Amino acid sequence: GDSVTQMEGPVTLSEEAFLTINCTYTATGYPSLFWYVQYPGEGLQLLLKATKADDKGSNKGFEATYRKETTSFHLEKGSVQVSDSAVYFCALILGGSEKLVFGKGTKLTVNP
Amino acid sequence: SQTIHQWPATLVQPVGSPLSLECTVEGTSNPNLYWYRQAAGRGLQLLFYSVGIGQISSEVPQNLSASRPQDRQFILSSKKLLLSDSGFYLCARSRVGGNTIYFGEGSWLTVV
Repeated sequence: GDSVTQMEGPVTLSEEAFLTINCTYTATGYPSLFWYVQYPGEGLQLLLKATKADDKGSNKGFEATYRKETTSFHLEKGSVQVSDSAVYFCALILGGSEKLVFGKGTKLTVNP
Repeated sequence: SQTIHQWPATLVQPVGSPLSLECTVEGTSNPNLYWYRQAAGRGLQLLFYSVGIGQISSEVPQNLSASRPQDRQFILSSKKLLLSDSGFYLCARSRVGGNTIYFGEGSWLTVV
């Protein structure tokens, strides 16, 4: 079945460090890919998305590129801030599916 | 803007008591609506989704039920809560044929 695998956390970084959270997927079709962020005690917010191969989603300094050849959608940020501390979820949705498939989430803690 | 309202935001219920969580959506007609649960230490699990009034699909067998009495209203219920029902419940919406799902702020349920 369709699935998303993301690196397990927790990830702890110092402020201004470079961030990569790996995400790979398995899908029977051609999915759209998403990163959601969940700040402590809150719901999920859409961070960025990409709908076709080689698309790059970006928002708030975060980027992820849809790599069909490696079935990956790794999240990156060049310089993290304390305010980026949150849980990050990679997800996919297949066209016509109406349902998101989530990874298990990666908790990021950024220390000053 | 398209807003999702969930209430109550937090509740503590005894085992065996009933449950009703309500979700309403503004700014869009005929949305797809979803209930997800996030249990402690676990990922996001799709519980129910609905593509229209009275149309409910259940993803996993469980102690919960869902109803959609109006186009923009989605209710999660239980007749008798179990300890294992504790968790963070998220309502979500998407456009019909759209490929992006947006989440509400969530409701924290603790069953004691």
